Amino acid sequence: DQQVKQNSPSLSVQEGRISILNCDYTNSMFDYFLWYKKYPAEGPTFLISISSIKDKNEDGRFTVFLNKSAKHLSLHIVPSQPGDSAVYFCAASGMNSWGKLQFGAGTQVVVTP
Amino acid sequence: DVKVTQSSRYLVKRTGEKVFLECVQDMDHENMFWYRQDPGLGLRLIYFSYDVKMKEKGDIPEGYSVSREKKERFSLILESASTNQTSMYLCASSSASGQGMTEAFFGQGTRLTVV
Repeated sequence: DQQVKQNSPSLSVQEGRISILNCDYTNSMFDYFLWYKKYPAEGPTFLISISSIKDKNEDGRFTVFLNKSAKHLSLHIVPSQPGDSAVYFCAASGMNSWGKLQFGAGTQVVVTP
Repeated sequence: DVKVTQSSRYLVKRTGEKVFLECVQDMDHENMFWYRQDPGLGLRLIYFSYDVKMKEKGDIPEGYSVSREKKERFSLILESASTNQTSMYLCASSSASGQGMTEAFFGQGTRLTVV
């Protein structure tokens, strides 16, 4: 039973436009959320994170929003660039979890010229 | 820069073979993890370790074991490889945090094919 869900397996967006990736979770004990980016045949790389005490965190072109009441978070990428084409994974962890992460299934983003 | 290195990028093994996947990290991290990635399922935790010689089962430990004799090295062992263990295997490490608020750093992955 997946505790972190990414319901959109793929997303196509034009270069320069905004990409919005969504993630839902079911475990109310999660208090730290992360986004990873993964290119084929490479390991995931950390992108951005947010603690449950915040509702927004921004880092350059990337912004993560957290809605705790809805158990929903989203990643906004603006403007989207061709190099952003990758699989994006949402992940979550809880207190005293030794850093164990629960991952969603991933969203494949394709940025077209 | 944190570096997590997995010993092989690609492996092909026969059914029934014993398979060792090695992982080394150079950042003195306490926590180390083994995940597998399969299409449509994301990354699933196989085993993790929060200290030398300590190990805990993750969500899908069946058919696997691990070893952590040194802090920087975490090995995943497939006791008798089966075709359903064909997958991308990812090792990760992170620093200890009782509040879980720390990102994990991943290796480049090992694509294992069992024939």
